[in-house]
Amino acid sequence: EAGVTQFPSHSVIEKGQTVTLRCDPISGHDNLYWYRRVMGKEIKFLLHFVKESKQDESGMPNNRFLAERTGGTYSTLKVQPAELEDSGVYFCASSHRPTARQGYYEKLFFGSGTQLSVL
Amino acid sequence: AQRVTQPEKLLSVFKGAPVELKCNYSYSGSPELFWYVQYSRQRLQLLLRHISRESIKGFTADLNKGETSFHLKKPFAQEEDSAMYYCALRGYSGGYQKVTFGTGTKLQVIP
Repeated sequence: EAGVTQFPSHSVIEKGQTVTLRCDPISGHDNLYWYRRVMGKEIKFLLHFVKESKQDESGMPNNRFLAERTGGTYSTLKVQPAELEDSGVYFCASSHRPTARQGYYEKLFFGSGTQLSVL
Repeated sequence: AQRVTQPEKLLSVFKGAPVELKCNYSYSGSPELFWYVQYSRQRLQLLLRHISRESIKGFTADLNKGETSFHLKKPFAQEEDSAMYYCALRGYSGGYQKVTFGTGTKLQVIP
């Protein structure tokens, strides 16, 4: 079974440019999450998709960030225009919708992350 | 609001020595707590969760509601335990279930 795939693994851009990150979740996983880790800080929640719908986008920093999940499969996270403080590692994670049999336990499967550097 | 605190950024221990990675949390309800680990050049992955009361790779963690802690312990550290460890809490925030991570602790096991 393929894991969560993120592309690109690294991206170096200049302030003001646009970058689009992609995440391919594990097939069949309804839940898709984006997280960000800024150096020295916690892994911070950005948003959560259930299929193609945004369930919770309370962690999105500002309107320069736009996430989509058309068709409920892969997701993209676009930063436009990028600022210096956007640098960090962006993680994607996916999971099954937990069931009563699983005790509503949701196990997150993470991608390798995209290292974004804004110069 | 839910919060996870890992006070140590780096913990260095000798091989064979006991390990304790500290985690404290703040949450008004009954939390679900987890430890995630990221080995060098690998993905972040689940290590263990408090509900299952399991021991994985010799690690255990006990939820102490009185002290609001979920420290990760191992009696004898191995070199392969060197990695970045994140404590995480799953709870409701703003009406949604959300997983909140701590800042992580880098464990360095010295041969």
